[in-house]
Amino acid sequence: QVQLVESGGGVVQPGRSLRLSCAASGFTFRTYAIYWVRQAPGKGLEWVAVTLYDGSDQYYADSVKGRFSISIDNSKNTLYLQMSSLRAEDTAMYYCARGQWLGAFFDYWGQGTLVTVSS
Amino acid sequence: EIVLTQSPATLSLSPGERATLSCRASQSVGSYLAWYQQKPGQAPRLLLYDASNRATGIPARFRGSGSGTDFTLTISSLEPEDFAVYYCQQLSSWPPFTFGQGTKLEI
Repeated sequence: QVQLVESGGGVVQPGRSLRLSCAASGFTFRTYAIYWVRQAPGKGLEWVAVTLYDGSDQYYADSVKGRFSISIDNSKNTLYLQMSSLRAEDTAMYYCARGQWLGAFFDYWGQGTLVTVSS
Repeated sequence: EIVLTQSPATLSLSPGERATLSCRASQSVGSYLAWYQQKPGQAPRLLLYDASNRATGIPARFRGSGSGTDFTLTISSLEPEDFAVYYCQQLSSWPPFTFGQGTKLEI
C-alpha cells in the first residue's frame, strides 16, 4: 500500500538548519509530485513546497523561498526538505503528501514530523 | 493568490443530522477544488476532488457540489466519526496551493 513516512523533526534554535526526510513506498516514486505542507500548533494547513519526482520543477511558498530547498534520492525513494535560517514561525508539524501530477490534489499523506524552533 | 474562505468556522450538530459546509474562492477556480478531513492527532485525508468526486473509500454520505467561486460539502447523515476539521483547497491557480482556514464540525 502507499506509504509516506516523514522523519527528522526536532527542536532547533532560531537561525539553525534542519533536514526532513520523506520516504515513499508502495508506488513508483518517479511518476508523481511530492508536496510539503505544514501546520502550526492549533492552526490550519499551509502549503510549503512541491517538486516533480525528478526535481525538474519545484515551487516554494513565499514564506520559505530562499531558506528551504528540496532534494531527491530516487534510488532510496526518499525526498528531503532542507530548512535553513529557521524562525520561530516555522514551528509546525510538517507533512509530505503525494500528487498524481504537479498541480493535482493530494491523495496520500504521511503522518508528519514535528519541528520546533526555540532557543 | 486565490483566497479561500470557509464558513462557518465551527458547526455544532448531532449524529444523524445533515451538515453543510461552505467554501468560497476569491476568484474562479473552475472545478479544481478538493476537500480534506482532519481528525485530532492525524494527518489530513482526501475526501473529494474536482469539487464533487469522492476519493477511494469515502462513503456516499459525503457529497460535494459547486463550481467557479462557491462550493459546498454536504454530509447527509452525520456519523460519530465525521466530527473533525474540514479544509477546502484550490488547485486552479498555483503556486501557492491555497487552503481554506477550516471548518470544525463538533458535536
